[in-house]
Amino acid sequence: DGGITQSPKYLFRKEGQNVTLSCEQNLNHDAMYWYRQDPGQGLRLIYYSQIVNDFQKGDIAEGYSVSREKKESFPLTVTSAQKNPTAFYLCASSIDRRGRGHVGYTFGSGTRLTVV
Amino acid sequence: EDQVTQSPEALRLQEGESSSLNCSYTVSGLRGLFWYRQDPGKGPEFLFTLYSAGEEKEKERLKATLTKKESFLHITAPKPEDSATYLCAVFSGNTPLVFGKGTRLSVIA
Repeated sequence: DGGITQSPKYLFRKEGQNVTLSCEQNLNHDAMYWYRQDPGQGLRLIYYSQIVNDFQKGDIAEGYSVSREKKESFPLTVTSAQKNPTAFYLCASSIDRRGRGHVGYTFGSGTRLTVV
Repeated sequence: EDQVTQSPEALRLQEGESSSLNCSYTVSGLRGLFWYRQDPGKGPEFLFTLYSAGEEKEKERLKATLTKKESFLHITAPKPEDSATYLCAVFSGNTPLVFGKGTRLSVIA
């Protein structure tokens, strides 16, 4: 079955550590996205990529980094510069219809990151 | 800048008590409005896409409608399993989807 897989489901980070969240999709989608979700805040966009080897900052990119070396993969690194990283992280993908309308996202099941 | 406001923030219903969730939006040319359902600790699941004012979509006890300024998600005779957070998002053509903060629905048996 096609889908989008995030791992791990739970992740614990010590102060000063970098951690990487995995996101893999086998839907042949062109675009991929990372959102952060905090209670009462809704979904906030961190980074997105519409094509391999290219990505753009979202609204809250500071303290995060991404790469898009393969169409199927869009890992997110939470760096030590992110001062409040405890949150639920969601990865999503979508078909890029080149401006002919959007058909919405397919989401992964999320990674809950906790600083210890 | 595209904006989405959902109301109420939280809604508590008795089983069978019908109600509506609101999604008001401000966009420079709406090209799609999306409703998602999210259960605790899980990723959002797609429910509906609406593209033009007057359009309606239905799925079981849910019905989504769209005007030029807002969308409603009507829930008819809800059951406890309808309890979830419902998210609304808009697309205006050049940027990723912009999401509202969601409405937390609780349906009590």
